[in-house]
Amino acid sequence: GEDVEQSLFLSVREGDSSVINCTYTDSSSTYLYWYKQEPGAGLQLLTYIFSNMDMKQDQRLTVLLNKKDKHLSLRIADTQTGDSAIYFCAERKANQFYFGTGTSLTVIP
Amino acid sequence: EAEVAQSPRYKITEKSQAVAFWCDPISGHATLYWYRQILGQGPELLVQFQDESVVDDSQLPKDRFSAERLKGVDSTLKIQPAELGDSAMYLCASSLASDYTQYFGPGTRLTVL
Repeated sequence: GEDVEQSLFLSVREGDSSVINCTYTDSSSTYLYWYKQEPGAGLQLLTYIFSNMDMKQDQRLTVLLNKKDKHLSLRIADTQTGDSAIYFCAERKANQFYFGTGTSLTVIP
Repeated sequence: EAEVAQSPRYKITEKSQAVAFWCDPISGHATLYWYRQILGQGPELLVQFQDESVVDDSQLPKDRFSAERLKGVDSTLKIQPAELGDSAMYLCASSLASDYTQYFGPGTRLTVL
């Protein structure tokens, strides 16, 4: 919704790093989120970043935010087969969430 | 860890029938959301409640969809009559307040035949 854009597919080999990219729409968005969705399930919150931060690290996850370009990325280190899922970025503006179309990550053993 | 509960998980119905979905948010969460997620797309907001009041239903097709949260806790989303294009995943989410992080339930997968 509201043109939050993501690439549709990404394939990586097990053990490699994955980088999922997102372009959002509004530089005034306060928080940006990454959610994970496994087949047939709801969305699981992975991490979020406040708009005045450039980077946030949480175990294997690193979020980078380039506010000037309105670009958000999620790096997953040492990607495992259990990381195979669809990843959604979302921006929060005016207390509403707008989600991207999702990136389907396939991890090849 | 507290979770958002939804039921049923799956629903198959024929077009023109009525369907209802139920959501129980995380205890203490004042804000509740219903989203529709069409296959291959991200969730889109249908309705947002603050306690028992609707604060945004601008994307809710009000000719056939209705939502209520009578006591400000659990919520029901109804579709009557269902149409083929309503086949989707219906997700419920809750947050402490409207400016807080949303937590999602497992969803109800609706198939309209």
